[in-house]
Order: sequence, then structure tokens, then C-alpha cells
Amino acid sequence: DIQMTQSPSSLSASVGDRVTITCRASQSISIYLNWYQQKPGKAPKLLIYLTSNLQSGVPSRFSGSGSGTDFTLTISSLQPEDFATYYCHQSSITPHTFGQGTKLEIK
Amino acid sequence: QVQLQESGPGLVKPSGTLSLTCTVSGVSIKTYYWSWIRQRPGKGLEWVGSVFYRGSTSQNPSLKSRVRISVDTSKNQFSLILTSVAAADTAVYYCVSGGLEHDAFENWGQGTLVTVPS
Repeated sequence: DIQMTQSPSSLSASVGDRVTITCRASQSISIYLNWYQQKPGKAPKLLIYLTSNLQSGVPSRFSGSGSGTDFTLTISSLQPEDFATYYCHQSSITPHTFGQGTKLEIK
Repeated sequence: QVQLQESGPGLVKPSGTLSLTCTVSGVSIKTYYWSWIRQRPGKGLEWVGSVFYRGSTSQNPSLKSRVRISVDTSKNQFSLILTSVAAADTAVYYCVSGGLEHDAFENWGQGTLVTVPS
């Protein structure tokens, strides 16, 4: 299985901050990397697919980049509604696997 | 828009069988691959398996021998059966669109908590 490692596991930031979350795959996954946002008690929501494509309705302050084994999710200016847990997901090969999550908290 | 809704018992006895159904609305179940993903309490996401209406399935190797996923095209539903459950199978189970290699998981049900007491 491909192991996905996110860093940091948790992060404290303030409204208006620029935040970057990284995700590293244990082997190359080309561009088959997706990002999800999950709020407490809710299902995850797809934010970005194929590394850098913004899902419909997702604000443009979210962006993604990378290829191969190293990927990033960037939020350019944090808004109050962005405080949540973020997961990366590789869809290069089955079994699909996820990172352990990054909890973004208010400073 | 695509909507998914899980249904099934919230409590399953140890060594018993977990059975969940996902009802899909807004799109034909023949359109996509469909998956089950679970999340143990306070933990991350785990792909359980996927199905296509023509019958092809794939499962997480960690669960493979215990998982069966099927589609009922007449009801626009797909289902999960997990046998020989234990406390470690306690989780919120989500039904999701997608699951083929290279797919993202675009549409999610609200999730249903299944508890297996220890």
C-alpha cells in the first residue's frame, strides 16, 4: 500500500494567515492526489482533485501543487470557516489511502 | 445534484454481520463507481471498497476476505456487507461516489455510525 504522510499533524493559525499543509507519498503517485476538508460531525468535502484542480464551489484562496511524491495544500488567507481537519488522498493505485489528517485550529 | 444516504443498523454484535445500504439520488447508479469509506472514532479515513454496476469490485486488502459490495440498479442503491465484525470495526461508514483508480471521492453521504460493542 502507498503510505501518505501529512505534516504538520496540527497547526494553529489566525484569520488572514497564509497556511501550507504538506503531504508526502511513499512512492510516486504522479498527480493523483486529492484534498478534503472535514468539519466536526460532518462528512469530508472534496476541495482539490488531481493535485491542483479546484472543485466547483470551493473558494479560490485554496490551491494545490506538487507531483510525484510531494504535494502541498495552501490557503492564502484563512477565513473563520476554514478551521477544520484536512486530509490528502492518493488515487494512483488501489487501495486508496489517506493521510492521517492535519487539524487546523484557531490561534 | 447527487445525493447519497446511508441506512442500516447502528449496533451489530461481535462476530455478527454489518449490513449497510446507500440510496443514490440525482444520478443513475450506472454512472459512476461507488465506494464505502469508514472513519473510526477520532481517527482518519479508510477506504473499504468500491463497486461498479456491472459487478466489478475492489476491496481494501486489510478487509478483503470479510467485505462484499454489491449494486441494485433497480433501486439505485449499493450495499456493504462486512462479516465477522469486532470492536475495531466500530466506525462512521460513508457511502461515496468514485473509487476507480484516479478517481477523487466527489460526493459523500452524511455517514452512519455503526457500533460493535467489545
